[in-house]
Amino acid sequence: AQKVTQAQTEISVVEKEDVTLDCVYETRDTTYYLFWYKQPPSGELVFLIRRNSFDEQNEISGRYSWNFQKSTSSFNFTITASQVVDSAVYFCALRSNQAGTALIFGKGTTLSVSS
Amino acid sequence: GAGVSQSPSNKVTEKGKDVELRCDPISGHTALYWYRQRLGQGLEFLIYFQGNSAPDKSGLPSDRFSAERTGESVSTLTIQRTQQEDSAVYLCASSLLLGGYGYTFGSGTRLTVV
Repeated sequence: AQKVTQAQTEISVVEKEDVTLDCVYETRDTTYYLFWYKQPPSGELVFLIRRNSFDEQNEISGRYSWNFQKSTSSFNFTITASQVVDSAVYFCALRSNQAGTALIFGKGTTLSVSS
Repeated sequence: GAGVSQSPSNKVTEKGKDVELRCDPISGHTALYWYRQRLGQGLEFLIYFQGNSAPDKSGLPSDRFSAERTGESVSTLTIQRTQQEDSAVYLCASSLLLGGYGYTFGSGTRLTVV
């Protein structure tokens, strides 16, 4: 069975703080894909990143960075120097490479950034 | 189209009535998914369509829920005899094939059953 766990339900930080959102996943597949999505108050889900199971290189995109560690089945997301506009619900998701499977989401982490 | 389009954006219905929610995927996307998001909750998978293959209905919560898709175009999600517990945002997404492609989500339909 596949499962995604985001243990942090809510996080509150002050602007310019760094914040890390945790994601732990479970799968028996050897090939799989991990994703992060952002859901701002407007409600629309915004794709942030996709990582395949064979690529453990960390990735940085502006203030965002992702740390993928297969040894601990984790795919954590860090926002550096957070801004109020980062306030949103962030979802981690997992997808098998097998045919006929859907994206499985964690329950999300609500990030509130205050000024 | 340029994005995934869902209609209506908001729907208020009386308990016991049937509702139809529509999703227009991105042109060329062969896979289409429906998810439900209750207030303050994560995304719950409902059903998935892939080309002409039989749909994966494993996430549908009851037989009051059904969905159809014509070829690789529009899909409708139907909820019969709506209950208050059906109140949620229903999100549709489409993607290219399977595996590593991410989904593009629509803005959702907010369903309120009163």
